[in-house]
Amino acid sequence: EVQLVETGGGLIQPGGSLRLSCVASGFTVSYYYMTWVRQAPGKGLECVSVIYSGGGTYYADSVKGRFTISRDNSKNTVYLQMNGLRAEDTAVYYCAREMGGGGSDYYFDYWGQGTLVTVSS
Amino acid sequence: SYELTQPPSVSVSPGQTASITCSGYKLGDKYACWYQQKPGQSPVLVIYQDNKRPSGIPERFSGSNSGNTATLTISGTQAMDEADYYCQAWDITVVFGGGTKLTVL
Repeated sequence: EVQLVETGGGLIQPGGSLRLSCVASGFTVSYYYMTWVRQAPGKGLECVSVIYSGGGTYYADSVKGRFTISRDNSKNTVYLQMNGLRAEDTAVYYCAREMGGGGSDYYFDYWGQGTLVTVSS
Repeated sequence: SYELTQPPSVSVSPGQTASITCSGYKLGDKYACWYQQKPGQSPVLVIYQDNKRPSGIPERFSGSNSGNTATLTISGTQAMDEADYYCQAWDITVVFGGGTKLTVL
């Protein structure tokens, strides 16, 4: 059974750092695109960062230069290191497995339960 | 950057058909998918590749995509279908619509 479990969220002051973890089971993360999607309170979904099966990465402009995505294949875990946190980063952060057949065929078939990050003084 | 537009809200009576639209430039040339999100829960994929249902998704959920509009249709809507629905496509990167709150009155 595929499962994604996120941890690491919490209350942090502006300018602080947090590292989110996403432990996967039932599949191998290095074979897939893995994505962090966030949802601010009462708002919609935003793709924050992707790590591709080949190891390449993508960042939304809103987090570029502040967030770093990585993975540990031995632990089957994906991380999101968040530095220089701002109030507007407050959101539930979801880890999701991205399926893709090429072209424009990309979608998320499994999501974690999410972890809440609150940036406030 | 590519944008997807959804109506903020749609209302439907139980047993009737609900249609939720998602508009984007030449969206029909891309694949569209849909997620259902209930309060306090993670999104769930209900339609992918325009019109395919993942295992476990009821047959009353269907999708179409042509021109500039993708549509999620829920036939015989039930109270349990009340949720937020998000469309998603891919253009250089993943793009989400703003979401539609479906109310079953």
